Amino acid sequence: DIQMTQSPSSLSASVGDRVTITCRASQSISSYLNWYQQKPGKAPKLLIYAASSLQSGVPSRFSGSGSGTDFTLTISSLQPEDFATYYCQQSYSTPCSFGQGTKLEIK
Amino acid sequence: EVQLVESGGGLVQPGRSLRLSCAASGFTFDDYAMHWVRQAPGKGLEWVSGISWNSGSIGYADSVKGRFTISRDNAKNSLYLQMNSLRAEDTALYYCAKVRGSIAAAAGDYWGQGTLVTVSS
Repeated sequence: DIQMTQSPSSLSASVGDRVTITCRASQSISSYLNWYQQKPGKAPKLLIYAASSLQSGVPSRFSGSGSGTDFTLTISSLQPEDFATYYCQQSYSTPCSFGQGTKLEIK
Repeated sequence: EVQLVESGGGLVQPGRSLRLSCAASGFTFDDYAMHWVRQAPGKGLEWVSGISWNSGSIGYADSVKGRFTISRDNAKNSLYLQMNSLRAEDTALYYCAKVRGSIAAAAGDYWGQGTLVTVSS
């Protein structure tokens, strides 16, 4: 099974900051990498699929990059509504494992 | 509008069974694969199982393999998760998710609000 490792586990940042979260797969997954945002008490929301494709309705300040084993999610200018937990997920093969999450908090 | 409504959760004793359902609407159900994903209280997301559009391809997490069975009824626009031999560590909020495409390995683009399963004596 493919293991997904995110870093950092938590991150403090300010409104307007540029933030990057990384995700590493235990083997190559090509571009089969997705990013989700989850706010407390809410279901996850798909932000990015296939490593760099922006899901419909997601603001363009979110972007994804990478292929193979190393991936990044970048938020270009943090907005107040972006403080949440972010998860990566591989969809190269089942089981479609998630990373452990990165909690983004207000500094 | 895509809607996914989970049901069937509740309090169950260890070793017992429970069947979760997910009623789908707002899209052509039999065109898409579906997932179950769970989240233990205060923990991260764990992918549980996925099923392709025609049930021809199914996958499970190692933690539930042999105990849980995913199925779907395309005529009823419904997804199911039969959970047997439940353990305390299965306690979680269970989400169903529509997948971006017809194969089981893909991103979940719409999610329900979840149904809570508590395994305790």
